[in-house]
This record gives sequence, C-alpha cells and structure tokens, in this order.
Amino acid sequence: GNSVTQMEGPVTLSEEAFLTINCTYTATGYPSLFWYVQYPGEGLQLLLKATKADDKGSNKGFEATYRKETTSFHLEKGSVQVSDSAVYFCALTGRSQGNLIFGKGTKLSVKP
Amino acid sequence: GAVVSQHPSRVICKSGTSVKIECRSLDFQATTMFWYRQFPKQSLMLMATSNEGSKATYEQGVEKDKFLINHASLTLSTLTVTSAHPEDSSFYICSARRSGGPDTQYFGPGTRLTVL
Repeated sequence: GNSVTQMEGPVTLSEEAFLTINCTYTATGYPSLFWYVQYPGEGLQLLLKATKADDKGSNKGFEATYRKETTSFHLEKGSVQVSDSAVYFCALTGRSQGNLIFGKGTKLSVKP
Repeated sequence: GAVVSQHPSRVICKSGTSVKIECRSLDFQATTMFWYRQFPKQSLMLMATSNEGSKATYEQGVEKDKFLINHASLTLSTLTVTSAHPEDSSFYICSARRSGGPDTQYFGPGTRLTVL
C-alpha cells in the first residue's frame, strides 16, 4: 500500500539557516503529495501541495517538488525563522476517498 | 478560509464511560470527514472515513462498535468512544474535505482524551 517515510527529528537550526526535511513515498498510481505543519497547541495546517510529477508547491518561503523518478517530495526553505518552529508532516493521498497517509512528522526547532 | 472545529478540546473521563467528540466544518459543506488518532511522537493514523448520510468506513484494526461515528449533516460528524479504557487515551483529530473541492483536507485542532 501507499506509505510515506520522512526524516526523523528533531531538527534544530539557527535562525536564517537552510532547511531540508526529506520525504520519500511508495505509492501505486499518481497520488497528490502534501506538507502539513502543526504549530504548538494547534491543529494541522496545509503548508503546500503538488498534484503531479514535477509540480512545485510553495508557501511562506517553503517549497517542495514532486519528483516521480526519485519518489521524493523534500521540503526546503532558504532561511528559517524562529516562528517556523513546529512539527512538519509529509503526506500523500491514499487509495480511497482521498484519505491521507502521513509520515511520522519531523519536529523543527529554530533558535534565535 | 476553511475552518474546522472540534469539541471538546480536552476531556478526562473515568474508565467505562463513553465520550462524544464533535467535528464541525464552520464555513463549508463537507460530504466526507476523516477521523485520525495521534499517539505521542507518532504520526496520524486514519481510523475511519465518514460520509454524510451513510455508514462510516473503518480502517483495518479499528473496532467499529467501540468507535461509533455519525455523520448526520454536511457540517457535523461525531466520534463516540464507548466504554473507554486507559489505552484509548490519545489525541483525536478530525478533518473535512470540502464538497466538490480539490483533494485538500482541513483539520480540526484535535481533542485530547484522557481515560483514568
């Protein structure tokens, strides 16, 4: 079945550092790929998504490219801020009714 | 924006009692809602898919008689944990998929259930 593997955290960076969180997937067909973010004490929010190969999703300085050849959807940001501290989840659509399959999440802490 | 609320946000109950959690889409209609369970430092695990006006579809290993799901309207789905036990303590999260919209789910803030 479909599955997602993302790098384990926690990841600790200094402000303005470059961020990469790796995400690879296994899927049949052509799933949509997502990154969700969960800020402390809040629910998940959609950060960005891509629906087909070579699409690049971007939002708030974050971006990720749907790479079919490497089955990857790595999240990147050129310069992180303290306010980016959160848990980031990579996800893809499952087999039925559009349910989501999530990676285990990567906690990011950005220090001033 | 698309807002999903959950109530209560936090509940503590005694073992053997039942707890109902509500999930509402506040500003859109959702024919499909999803219920997830999140363990500490773990990912979200899909429990069931709830369709308005029909029976929920449960994932393998999820007891349908223990986790009762009702999706009575296009804006409300409820999850009832029946005869709760300490091992049911977890963070329960719902999401809603906008009717006729793209495959984007909007998540509620979650409900922390603690069973004593």
